[in-house]
Amino acid sequence: SAVISQKPSRDICQRGTSLTIQCQVDSQVTMMFWYRQQPGQSLTLIATANQGSEATYESGFVIDKFPISRPNLTFSTLTVSNMSPEDSSIYLCSAGTENYGYTFGSGTRLTVV
Amino acid sequence: SQQGEEDPQALSIQEGENATMNCSYKTSINNLQWYRQNSGRGLVHLILIRSNEREKHSGRLRVTLDTSKKSSSLLITASRAADTASYFCATLKGDSWGKLQFGAGTQVVVTP
Repeated sequence: SAVISQKPSRDICQRGTSLTIQCQVDSQVTMMFWYRQQPGQSLTLIATANQGSEATYESGFVIDKFPISRPNLTFSTLTVSNMSPEDSSIYLCSAGTENYGYTFGSGTRLTVV
Repeated sequence: SQQGEEDPQALSIQEGENATMNCSYKTSINNLQWYRQNSGRGLVHLILIRSNEREKHSGRLRVTLDTSKKSSSLLITASRAADTASYFCATLKGDSWGKLQFGAGTQVVVTP
């Protein structure tokens, strides 16, 4: 299965600023996804990162707030823009194939102050 | 809304005991997957069971799937302190373009 390197692992940011999270996969994968996990909660899908086209966002998430790039089949970034304390969460990327399970990055723990 | 609901929300057991957690879902699925998360870090894929399978084993893990009841269970036998983690079920629908729907999770604590 694929191995994902996600960074940064954690960050403390000022409100109003932006943070870009990177995920690098050690092999080409068709599907990559970005999730948010609020404190003590389960995972909520933010968007599907599509290679060569705009990401597909889930209800409640918009491109202006969470711009995503996927320039090739091994790399993707998620930016959390104009942050507020409500954005404090763990952000995770995942990749893989739907019939064999997914690999997750180690997560980015974001605290907005 | 999340596809899966899990119970119990929390489970505390002694080393050597078995841990069982359940997952229910609402719509038809392609497969159901179980993941483990240690201390808010990344998720680790444990096991995947397809809609046409009823039971699957992997080491000390046993997963069952009852599509008529739209439910699944994960059994960890002979638990160890290292099994302390949160466990999530996630379902994949046939028309979901690979997107998983996660359950609320079960927090398992195994004490020595």
